[in-house]
Amino acid sequence: KQEVTQIPAALSVPEGENLVLNCSFTDSAIYNLQWFRQDPGKGLTSLLLIQSSQREQTSGRLNASLDKSSGRSTLYIAASQPGDSATYLCAVPRDDKIIFGKGTRLHILP
Amino acid sequence: EPEVTQTPSHQVTQMGQEVILRCVPISNHLYFYWYRQILGQKVEFLVSFYNNEISEKSEIFDDQFSVERPDGSNFTLKIRSTKLEDSAMYFCASSPTGATYEAFFGQGTRLTVV
Repeated sequence: KQEVTQIPAALSVPEGENLVLNCSFTDSAIYNLQWFRQDPGKGLTSLLLIQSSQREQTSGRLNASLDKSSGRSTLYIAASQPGDSATYLCAVPRDDKIIFGKGTRLHILP
Repeated sequence: EPEVTQTPSHQVTQMGQEVILRCVPISNHLYFYWYRQILGQKVEFLVSFYNNEISEKSEIFDDQFSVERPDGSNFTLKIRSTKLEDSAMYFCASSPTGATYEAFFGQGTRLTVV
């Protein structure tokens, strides 16, 4: 059974800091891993998708890494801004569905 | 940029009533999904749909739930007799080739059962 865990559950940091969000998964036989952003009461916005053959994927100030063998992924956010405040979810596919972690609720202090 | 569209954005219904949530997936996608998120909890899988049939469903997706692709563009989730615990945000998603590829999610329908 695949389980996805995200640590920490919540994080508050001052604006401008670099930060790392963590995701771990129990079954390393994954096709890919996807990071999403969710604003309060809103939908899921895909941020980055890393294929199992990749180790990193970058989009602007976001960098996601994947270590399949250890069952871990990190989302690195550089030079954080108040607009980055949201919940960040990681998710992996299993059979014909996606399994989500509970997310990390990020608050960037102005 | 193509997107998954869901309607309505918010629906309030009385317990025991039937509701239909509607989704328009991205036009060239072949796999369609419904997920739900109860307030404060994680996003949970309900059902996946491919080639006009259910390919996988969770234990949440019992006989009260059904899905349909009534035409070439819409994908619906029906809840026959709503319960208070069905109150949640419901997300539709689509993917071109299934779970091995990126999934695109709609903005969700907030269902409130009173």
